Amino acid sequence: GNSVTQMEGPVTLSEEAFLTINCTYTATGYPSLFWYVQYPGEGLQLLLKATKADDKGSNKGFEATYRKETTSFHLEKGSVQVSDSAVYFCALSEAQGAQKLVFGQGTRLTINP
Amino acid sequence: NAGVTQTPKFQVLKTGQSMTLQCAQDMNHEYMSWYRQDPGMGLRLIHYSVGAGITDQGEVPNGYNVSRSTTEDFPLRLLSAAPSQTSVYFCASSYSRVRSTQYFGPGTRLTVL
Repeated sequence: GNSVTQMEGPVTLSEEAFLTINCTYTATGYPSLFWYVQYPGEGLQLLLKATKADDKGSNKGFEATYRKETTSFHLEKGSVQVSDSAVYFCALSEAQGAQKLVFGQGTRLTINP
Repeated sequence: NAGVTQTPKFQVLKTGQSMTLQCAQDMNHEYMSWYRQDPGMGLRLIHYSVGAGITDQGEVPNGYNVSRSTTEDFPLRLLSAAPSQTSVYFCASSYSRVRSTQYFGPGTRLTVL
């Protein structure tokens, strides 16, 4: 079945550091790929998405490129801020049918000033 | 728009008790779903609905019932709570079942003693 594997956390960085959170997936067909963010005490918010190979999703300085050849969707940001501290989830949804999201285990990111 | 709302925010139950977690959305979304979030496991789909009167099982449906009598509401029922159901529960909705963004509620933290 479909699955998502994320880089294990927690990840701790200093402000203005470069961020990469790795995400790889296993899926049949052509899934859509997502990054969700969960701030402390809140629900999940969509951060960015890509629906086909070579698409780049971007939002709030974060980027991720849908790489079909390596089945990856790594999240990157050039200069992180304290306010980026949160838990990040990589997810996929099936290409066809109902929107059943399959999530990775989440990566907790802490940014120190 | 209130978006997706969930009640209660916190709940403590004893083993064997029953309860209903409420979820409502005011965006006229067709698709609604319930996930549970457990440490190190990301979110897993419990049940979902593609419209009023239509529900189906997700990855971990055992011990939970759902119904969808209106477009707005999608309650999750625990008939006989077990400690294994201690988790954080998230409701989500989206406009359609194919490739549209899912919006998550703030979650309900449930503890079963």
